[in-house]
Amino acid sequence: DTGVSQDPRHKITKRGQNVTFRCDPISEHNRLYWYRQTLGQGPEFLTYFQNEAQLEKSRLLSDRFSAERPKGSFSTLEIQRTEQGDSAMYLCAAAGANPSTDTQYFGPGTRLTVL
Amino acid sequence: GESVGLHLPTLSVQEGDNSIINCAYSNSASDYFIWYKQESGKGPQFIIDIRSNMDKRQGQRVTVLLNKTVKHLSLQIAATQPGDSAVYFCAQGAQKLVFGQGTRLTINP
Repeated sequence: DTGVSQDPRHKITKRGQNVTFRCDPISEHNRLYWYRQTLGQGPEFLTYFQNEAQLEKSRLLSDRFSAERPKGSFSTLEIQRTEQGDSAMYLCAAAGANPSTDTQYFGPGTRLTVL
Repeated sequence: GESVGLHLPTLSVQEGDNSIINCAYSNSASDYFIWYKQESGKGPQFIIDIRSNMDKRQGQRVTVLLNKTVKHLSLQIAATQPGDSAVYFCAQGAQKLVFGQGTRLTINP
């Protein structure tokens, strides 16, 4: 158990609807990351937070995507006006404060299916 | 930019044999490499990591080798067991990780 939980585990939605996912790391995880994984591919970086500050966003993160970590603990990822191409596994990873020594540990992911 | 690739998409081994999974990388700027194991329907699970100041690191039944000259990384699993069946990813980076496509390891009884 990595201590990183995600909710929901599965989400099925219709095209055009908004969805929100949640990630809960343990308190020692200052850094929190979101990745997206499509079938047969490795995870791709979306964005990351150091405490409550969002420090980097990938070009994959279109304007329809927004992520927050308001209190530096849990994080949410919202997708507005979902498209079929958004169907993927959304993974959250968390790590301690030092990128030179602290490994990223992943949660179980949220599988999104857009119909 | 960074890219990480794997030599083979699938690997099939006999139970009890050793498995070797290979990975090539292009960016020498990042000095941190990680191997993850991903079972169906689950998130990636950390296996072992290595930094560029090392050539080899050993864990329980696993060894990671890093060849910086040819930008090559390998994961060796000793005495492969059925529970080792999964997709294995190499990843590079300290902040955002860059993953390869993965190698699916299948264990034959």
